[in-house]
Amino acid sequence: EVQLLESGGGLVQPGGSLRLSCAASGFTFSSYVMSWVRQAPGKGLEWVSAISGRGDSTYYADSVKGRFTISSDNSKNTLYLQMNSLRAEDTAVYYCAKSVIASAGPNWFDPWGQGTLVTVSS
Amino acid sequence: DIVMTQSPDSLAVSLGERATINCKSSQSVLYSSSNKNYLAWYQQKPGQPPKLLIYWASTRESGVPDRFSGSGSGTDFTLTISSLQAEDVAVYYCQQYYRNPITFGQGTRLEIK
Repeated sequence: EVQLLESGGGLVQPGGSLRLSCAASGFTFSSYVMSWVRQAPGKGLEWVSAISGRGDSTYYADSVKGRFTISSDNSKNTLYLQMNSLRAEDTAVYYCAKSVIASAGPNWFDPWGQGTLVTVSS
Repeated sequence: DIVMTQSPDSLAVSLGERATINCKSSQSVLYSSSNKNYLAWYQQKPGQPPKLLIYWASTRESGVPDRFSGSGSGTDFTLTISSLQAEDVAVYYCQQYYRNPITFGQGTRLEIK
């Protein structure tokens, strides 16, 4: 069974940093594009970032480019999101999600993790 | 970026009746060489992550009840629930994966009338 388990969320002050992790199991982690998708309280879904299975290609939404860094450790089957210069508008539940097709292109997500809440507030 | 616009924002339907949710993309998500529409639908219940329902615009994910169906092509798509059940109360999202950045519709909240 494919499982994704996020951790690392919490309360951080504006301008601060946080690193999220997503532990994956049940599939060949290095074969799939992995993404972070966030959801602000009471709002819709926003794709944040993605990384290729080999970790050699990364993609970012304009809203986080230059502040967030996605990475992965295939030896640990773990996805990361380093978030710097955090703003109030980054407050959201952050989900990690697995792409369905084992390719480098964008595709749909299944499954999603349960999410981890990041709150940016003073 | 491809903008995805859903309608309506919210919808109330009686149990056993049909529910229809629309999704329009700002540009075509039909890839001509494969003749596939790069569009997915998700269901999200309160406190839960999104659940995949439909991909390639009309292919139902394994285990999804057959009352859920997807249709459309190019820029206009529809998610239909043929006979609404109480457990279908949720927010529904469409998503394009034609090109990066991946984008979602704003969501449609489905309730029981």
